[in-house]
Amino acid sequence: DIQMTQSPSTLSASVGDRVTITCRASQSISGWLAWYQQKPGKAPNLLIYDASYLETGVPSRFSGSGSGTDFSLTISSLQPDDFATYYCQHYSSYSPSTFGQGTKVEI
Amino acid sequence: QVQLQESGPGLVRPSETLSLTCSVSNYSVSSGFYWGWIRQTPGKGLEYIAMIYYGGNTDISPSVKDRVSISVDASKNQFSLTLTSVTAADTAVYYCARARGCSSRSCYWYFWGQGTLVTVSS
Repeated sequence: DIQMTQSPSTLSASVGDRVTITCRASQSISGWLAWYQQKPGKAPNLLIYDASYLETGVPSRFSGSGSGTDFSLTISSLQPDDFATYYCQHYSSYSPSTFGQGTKVEI
Repeated sequence: QVQLQESGPGLVRPSETLSLTCSVSNYSVSSGFYWGWIRQTPGKGLEYIAMIYYGGNTDISPSVKDRVSISVDASKNQFSLTLTSVTAADTAVYYCARARGCSSRSCYWYFWGQGTLVTVSS
């Protein structure tokens, strides 16, 4: 299986900060990558798909980039509602889908 | 807005079979898209389990392949997961979801249920 490794595991930031989370795949997944936001007690919420496409309704301060094995999620100006845990997920054609271990963004 | 709701036992004894159902509202399971199950534990995080497309296409994660079956009941607008021979490692919050898009093998998920906690314990 393809392993997805996120870094950092925890990120301390302030409102207004630019924040970047990285996700590395153990082998190439082309652009088959999604990002989710999850808040405590809630299901994950899709933010980005195909590595860089913003899901409808997601604020434009979120952006995704990367291809192959290295990907990133950037929040251009952190808002109070953005404090949450973020997960990457690959959905490559070559291996069962797996998720990263998560990055908690906290104050 | 598509809505999904999981139902099933909150407690299952070791070695027994877990059965979960996902009831879908505002969209017909026979109209398309893959329907799937994902679980979440504090230790292993989010884990894809299985998915099904109305008409029979299924995919099951190799990690549970020998223990899992997935089915869809269009007459009830539901789909279901069965996990046999459960152990404490199967204790998790189980989510049902509808895919937003897929590669030729796997999908990413847009509509999710609220999740149901299943505990495996004697």
